[in-house]
Amino acid sequence: AQKITQTQPGMFVQEKEAVTLDCTYDTSDPSYGLFWYKQPSSGEMIFLIYQGSYDQQNATEGRYSLNFQKARKSANLVISASQLGDSAMYFCAMSLTGGGNKLTFGTGTQLKVEL
Amino acid sequence: GAVVSQHPSRVICKSGTSVKIECRSLDFQATTMFWYRQFPKKSLMLMATSNEGSKATYEQGVEKDKFLINHASLTLSTLTVTSAHPEDSSFYICSAPFGLAGFYNEQFFGPGTRLTVL
Repeated sequence: AQKITQTQPGMFVQEKEAVTLDCTYDTSDPSYGLFWYKQPSSGEMIFLIYQGSYDQQNATEGRYSLNFQKARKSANLVISASQLGDSAMYFCAMSLTGGGNKLTFGTGTQLKVEL
Repeated sequence: GAVVSQHPSRVICKSGTSVKIECRSLDFQATTMFWYRQFPKKSLMLMATSNEGSKATYEQGVEKDKFLINHASLTLSTLTVTSAHPEDSSFYICSAPFGLAGFYNEQFFGPGTRLTVL
């Protein structure tokens, strides 16, 4: 069974600074996808970025980048130039390609961006 | 991007009553939808996979008779919480994948339904 671990329950960052949210995963399946979602206080789940297990390059989407280290089984999210609107809960998730698109979520990291 | 809606967004009910939550894919067809449950400041836990035209697949520990799932059409899945009790109070979120099966499929989430059982 797959598992996602997020060891940072809460993080603080100053506006305009970069922040890294940690995520490690465990699976014996060679084919998988890693996702990051943002959940503001309203509850909606907002897709941020995706990394496939066979992707050679780290994924980037605007201010978001995913630091994928396959040997270490880590998929850290880097947010550059933090904004006040980035304050939210962030979830790392994994889907096995042969798993019917089911997502397994980590416990989340609450990010607070300060002035 | 694809849109998934949920109705109602918020519901308060008395203990012992049943509550139905709808999940609709508005601009695409979804043969599969997923139902998650989230407690305050906790992670999303997959409850079940809703399959159009067949029975839902429940995760271990989820009571099938308690959480009835019906995937009536390619755009609608419903979750009925039967004989609700206060411990069923939670945030319920549905999602639907959009893309080719077996490949990367972005999950589109509904806005969630907050259930409070008094």
